[in-house]
Amino acid sequence: QQQVKQSPQSLIVQKGGISIINCAYENTAFDYFPWYQQFPGKGPALLIAIRPDVSEKKEGRFTISFNKSAKQFSLHIMDSQPGDSATYFCAAALTDSWGKFQFGAGTQVVVTP
Amino acid sequence: DGGITQSPKYLFRKEGQNVTLSCEQNLNHDAMYWYRQDPGQGLRLIYYSQIVNDFQKGDIAEGYSVSREKKESFPLTVTSAQKNPTAFYLCASSNPGQGRGEQYFGPGTRLTVT
Repeated sequence: QQQVKQSPQSLIVQKGGISIINCAYENTAFDYFPWYQQFPGKGPALLIAIRPDVSEKKEGRFTISFNKSAKQFSLHIMDSQPGDSATYFCAAALTDSWGKFQFGAGTQVVVTP
Repeated sequence: DGGITQSPKYLFRKEGQNVTLSCEQNLNHDAMYWYRQDPGQGLRLIYYSQIVNDFQKGDIAEGYSVSREKKESFPLTVTSAQKNPTAFYLCASSNPGQGRGEQYFGPGTRLTVT
């Protein structure tokens, strides 16, 4: 069963707009929630990550919002640029279990000029 | 320049043949992982290793085998028992004791079996 559900599957946004990707998890013991960015034919790269002791983390144009009670977290890409066009994966992990990640299915984001 | 290398980038094999994918890291990470990526399914864990000479099955280990004889290397063999081996394979490493979870990925190997 999929422990992390990600939506939407794909997203088209205009340059300058906001991209929002949502993830929901089941295991309340998860304590690390990273987001990865992947370009075609490349390996994923860590974009931003959050732990459940904070509700929001911002790095540049990327923000994670975390709702522990709802078991949901989301990625917001502000002022989206064509270079942000990529596939984004959320993940959840128990860091005490040697970082075994449960990944979402991914969201393909296309930013139009 | 530290990182993870995977070779080759593209690999073609005939059905019924075993094939080994290479993964090397110079990050001095203790843990290494193999994932399989299929369209629309995200990344699924095949095997992981916490330390040299030890490894554990992930969610989809059937038809795969690994070894961890050196800290830097974690090769994956796709055996003929794997029913649907065509996929994009990703290797990753982490140092849970320091980074507390961050996984660093290699560039991947795209395997096509016909």
